[in-house]
Amino acid sequence: DTGVSQNPRHKITKRGQNVTFRCDPISEHNRLYWYRQTLGQGPEFLTYFQNEAQLEKSRLLSDRFSAERPKGSFSTLEIQRTEQGDSAMYLCASSPLAGGRNEQFFGPGTRLTVL
Amino acid sequence: KNEVEQSPQNLTAQEGEFITINCSYSVGISALHWLQQHPGGGIVSLFMLSSGKKKHGRLIATINIQEKHSSLHITASHPRDSAVYICAAYNTDKLIFGTGTRLQVFP
Repeated sequence: DTGVSQNPRHKITKRGQNVTFRCDPISEHNRLYWYRQTLGQGPEFLTYFQNEAQLEKSRLLSDRFSAERPKGSFSTLEIQRTEQGDSAMYLCASSPLAGGRNEQFFGPGTRLTVL
Repeated sequence: KNEVEQSPQNLTAQEGEFITINCSYSVGISALHWLQQHPGGGIVSLFMLSSGKKKHGRLIATINIQEKHSSLHITASHPRDSAVYICAAYNTDKLIFGTGTRLQVFP
């Protein structure tokens, strides 16, 4: 069990550029979550998938953000036309089964800095 | 008012002290997570509980569903316990997080 992995760990980009992050969940975990955490705050929910289906998106996820999980395994989160306000830690988590009681396992996060 | 609130926001302690971090929530939940976050961002799950009490080593978590309150206790605190502790409520299949409690334990 290698745990949840995220790549890259750090990304520095200029305002207006597009960025893409990848999350590889623990194998056989059905659910995959994306969260965003700004400095000094707790994480905030962005979106989640059950297998390849995106079941819910937060209003935080503007139309510049898109997430996919095409084969129900890894997921990507793309931010188009980045803004300085997008600077944050982007966290991915996975859980083994449907239902709200299953423990989530977190990846190390991708820290995005938009200059 | 946040749906999940923690207190205190910051906590300093001397090695060996008993630590308590509190979490109150205003939403309906199916379970509550206690998480630990070290500098650099990695989050580790400490407990998930929906009733009563759980213990793991020097850590104890309790929850009172009627009062919508949970506590995390650390006995015999150690400098390696220094981290941010976050409680998160499971609400309709997603987590709602508190803002965290920053704990520093000095030798």
